[in-house]
Formats: sequence, structure tokens, C-alpha cells
Amino acid sequence: EDQVTQSPEALRLQEGESSSLNCSYTVSGLRGLFWYRQDPGKGPEFLFTLYSAGEEKEKERLKATLTKKESFLHITAPKPEDSATYLCAVQVTGANNLFFGTGTRLTVIP
Amino acid sequence: GAVVSQHPSRVICKSGTSVKIECRSLDFQATTMFWYRQFPKQSLMLMATSNEGSKATYEQGVEKDKFLINHASLTLSTLTVTSAHPEDSSFYICSGVGGSSYEQYFGPGTRLTVT
Repeated sequence: EDQVTQSPEALRLQEGESSSLNCSYTVSGLRGLFWYRQDPGKGPEFLFTLYSAGEEKEKERLKATLTKKESFLHITAPKPEDSATYLCAVQVTGANNLFFGTGTRLTVIP
Repeated sequence: GAVVSQHPSRVICKSGTSVKIECRSLDFQATTMFWYRQFPKQSLMLMATSNEGSKATYEQGVEKDKFLINHASLTLSTLTVTSAHPEDSSFYICSGVGGSSYEQYFGPGTRLTVT
């Protein structure tokens, strides 16, 4: 059974305190792993797609990495505006839909 | 990134009435659109997948006669919640995929409250 697990469920950081969010997955065949950011009451905002183990992508203070079992979203020197829920989703080979994890709710304190 | 809009952003309706939600891809042609539902503090749950000009494919447990989906063009999909009940109150989000990309771009969501 395909499964996506995100940890921690919630994370509080001081401004400037770097950390990582984890997304572990078990799927029959991975077409892609996606990271999204979701603010309260809004739709998810696309961040990254990773397709193969060893791949890395960066955008401002965010860096996403992928292995055969998990993905990490590294946040370097976060700012309060980085506070949001970060969602990980997988797309299985042969399918178009995404299967989402439950998200990590990040709060960055000034 | 690609832009997807939804209308309305919020709607309140009485139990037993029907509500239509529109999802538009503004700067790309969405060959496939998806409809999700999200309950408070939970993740997105896929309801159905629709391809332009075809019947929608519904996920297990989603009533196709209650949640009517029409994908009439490459830029517009609609979700109609028929005979809405309070338990249908939720945040409904659509997304679109276009061309050869696997990336889904999401709309801002519609908050439905059934009284």
C-alpha cells in the first residue's frame, strides 16, 4: 500500500534557526515527489519536484533532497514569513494524481 | 508558475440546495484537472480526476451523483455539490496539469459552509 508520512507534525523555530522537515514514502513505483507550501485558508503553492534519488533543488532558503525512501526539506535561517504548512506528495508511476502526507506545520518566531 | 483560479472563494448555502464551484487555468491548458477536499487540520484528499471532454474518475467512497464534475474545456472544470448537507462543509481545492509536465498547480480553494 502506498504511504506518505511527514514528520514532525509541528515545528517551532526561532528566526535564523535552521532545521529539516522529513517526508518518508513507500510506493510501488515513484514517478515524482512534490513539495508544496500551504498558508491557512489558501491552496497549496508549488515549491519543488524531485524525480530521482540524489536529486536536489533549491529556492531561496529552501532546499529539497531525495533518497529512495525519503525526502528532506531543509530550511536555512528561516524568517517569520516562512511560517506555513509544508506538504509532501508523491506521484506513482502510471498515475497522474498526487498522494499527500499530512503536512508539517512550521512556525518561525521573530 | 502556472495560475489556477477558483470561484467563489467562499459560499454559504442551505441544506438541500446545490452549489457550483468553478476552476479555471488562466495561463495554460489543463488537460487534466483534479478536485480535492480538505477538512480542518487534515491533508488534501483526492475526490476525482477529470480529463477534458471525458467523464470524471471518482475515488472510492466519493458519490459521483452527489459531486458532479464537468471538464468542458481545457481551461474550465466545474464541481457541483448537489443536495448539500452540513457534512459536505469543507475546503474544496482544484488543480490542473498541462502539457508534458507532471506538476500540479492548485487553485486558492473554495470554503463551502452548509447550514
